[in-house]
Amino acid sequence: EDQVTQSPEALRLQEGESSSLNCSYTVSGLRGLFWYRQDPGKGPEFLFTLYSAGEEKEKERLKATLTKKESFLHITAPKPEDSATYLCAVLLSGGSNYKLTFGKGTLLTVNP
Amino acid sequence: EPEVTQTPSHQVTQMGQEVILRCVPISNHLYFYWYRQILGQKVEFLVSFYNNEISEKSEIFDDQFSVERPDGSNFTLKIRSTKLEDSAMYFCASAGTGGAGGAFFGQGTRLTVV
Repeated sequence: EDQVTQSPEALRLQEGESSSLNCSYTVSGLRGLFWYRQDPGKGPEFLFTLYSAGEEKEKERLKATLTKKESFLHITAPKPEDSATYLCAVLLSGGSNYKLTFGKGTLLTVNP
Repeated sequence: EPEVTQTPSHQVTQMGQEVILRCVPISNHLYFYWYRQILGQKVEFLVSFYNNEISEKSEIFDDQFSVERPDGSNFTLKIRSTKLEDSAMYFCASAGTGGAGGAFFGQGTRLTVV
């Protein structure tokens, strides 16, 4: 069965303490991998799409990378406003063109 | 900045009642989706809609569910006879020519079935 696993489930950082979130996937074919940010009681907010191994995308303090089996979301010098749940989702090839499969997310807390 | 708009933000309904959740997707988008998130669980795909028909649906999306795009702007999810286990956050999403790539989500409707 295809799976998307995110680790850690929760991460506490001090402001300015850089770290990385992991998303590993065991799927039969990957068309794209997506990162979203979700604040409590809100909808997922699109961050990045990655399509092939070796690809990298950056936005402010966030950088997403992709290998053949996993993706990392690197957070450099985080601020308290970066606190949120970060979701990873995959779009599979050879099947549905439309369905995203999500991981459970990593709850990031950045303390001032 | 364009956004997906959902109404109502919170809906409380009696078990067995019908509910309609409404969404206004981003205006030039062509692909529309409903997802749901039960409290503390993953975001789950329900259905996708393209060219005025369902493209794919999950096993969750059984006969009690239906979707409609009644005019050029609205996209609705109807749950015919609600069950307690339908209580969840329901998200509408839309995407442009890239399909599910970069789908943009609304803020959600919290459905509580009592």
